[in-house]
Order: sequence, then C-alpha cells, then structure tokens
Amino acid sequence: AQKVTQAQTEISVVEKEDVTLDCVYETRDTTYYLFWYKQPPSGELVFLIRRNSFDEQNEISGRYSWNFQKSTSSFNFTITASQVVDSAVYFCALSEAQAGNNRKLIWGLGTSLAVNP
Amino acid sequence: GAGVSQSPRYKVAKRGQDVALRCDPISGHVSLFWYQQALGQGPEFLTYFQNEAQLDKSGLPSDRFFAERPEGSVSTLKIQRTQQEDSAVYLCASSIRTSYNEQFFGPGTRLTVL
Repeated sequence: AQKVTQAQTEISVVEKEDVTLDCVYETRDTTYYLFWYKQPPSGELVFLIRRNSFDEQNEISGRYSWNFQKSTSSFNFTITASQVVDSAVYFCALSEAQAGNNRKLIWGLGTSLAVNP
Repeated sequence: GAGVSQSPRYKVAKRGQDVALRCDPISGHVSLFWYQQALGQGPEFLTYFQNEAQLDKSGLPSDRFFAERPEGSVSTLKIQRTQQEDSAVYLCASSIRTSYNEQFFGPGTRLTVL
C-alpha cells in the first residue's frame, strides 16, 4: 500500500530556531517521486521540492534543506533559522506509477508549524 | 494567466442543491487534477485529466460528483444534490506533462453545505 506518514501534527518554535519536519513513506514501486508543499493560512498549496527515487543527494535551498534516505523510507525537511513567515502547514506527498500514466499524489496529513516571534 | 485560478472562492449551498466549481489551469498544462481537502486533513485525490480525457476518476466519492474538461483547458467539478459531508475545500492543480512533474495548485473553492 502507498502511504505517507507525518507523525508530527503540530510544532511550535521560536524564531531563529532550526526545525525538522519528518516524513516517512511506504511504496512498492522502485520508481517514485517525493514532494514537499507549503500551505500558508491563505490556503494555496505552494510547491517546494520534488525528489526522484534514484537521487539520494541531499538538497539545500536557502534556509531549506531536505534529507532523503531510502534505507529508512524518509524524506525529512529542515528549516534553518526559522522565521515567522515560515508558519504554515507543510505536506509531504508521494507520486508513483499508476495505470493510464496517472501521477496522482498521495499526501500525508500535514505538520502545522508555528514560528513565534 | 500566471497561475491556476478557481471560482468561486467560496460557495454556500443548501443541502440538495447542485453546485459547479470551475478551474482554469496554467495555459499549456496537459494534466489537471481535482482534490478534496477536509479541515485539518491533507488533500484527497478525486480525478485526473490528460487534456480532455478523464483518465482516472477513482477518487470521486459518489455518482453525485462529476467532472469534465471538454476542450482540454478549463475544467468544471459538479456536485449534485449536495450533502453536508461534501463541505470541504476543493483544490484544482495542473502540471505541464503527464510525467512526474510538480503540480501547481489554485487557491481552492471552500464549499459549505448547510
């Protein structure tokens, strides 16, 4: 079965703290993609990153970094020196091969991050 | 337009009414997806189009839900005889191709059924 688990429902940090959001996935496919999306209070989902199953290199983009480890089926997201504007719900998602070339996303329940001044 | 747009942004319907939700994808995007997001939950897949072809409608919760994309661009999600459990945010997303591309989301339509 395909599944994405985000065990942390809510996280609260003080500005400038580092914070890591966990994502664990299950899939039978050898080829798949993992995504992180941000959903601020306005509601619109914002794409952050896509990682394919063959590329385990960690990625850094500004204050954001991602750690993909196939051995533990995890794709964790770290925000360094958090800011109030980082407050949002963050979703991890999995895309795998489906009949008909569908690429639907399977989503975790999200982690609500509150960054307090 | 620059992004995915959806209308209306908010819709209040009385139980039993029919509603139609519109999605304008990013120009040139082949794939279009509809999701349902209940409060405090992640999005749940409803249906998928590749151009005008509806290739997967396995997520539609009942036969009261119907989606179309007749010209391969704008899509409409129709819900007939709305019920209270249909209350949710309906999200539309588009992606440029049918491969493993990122999906770009619209702002959603918040449907409240009284």
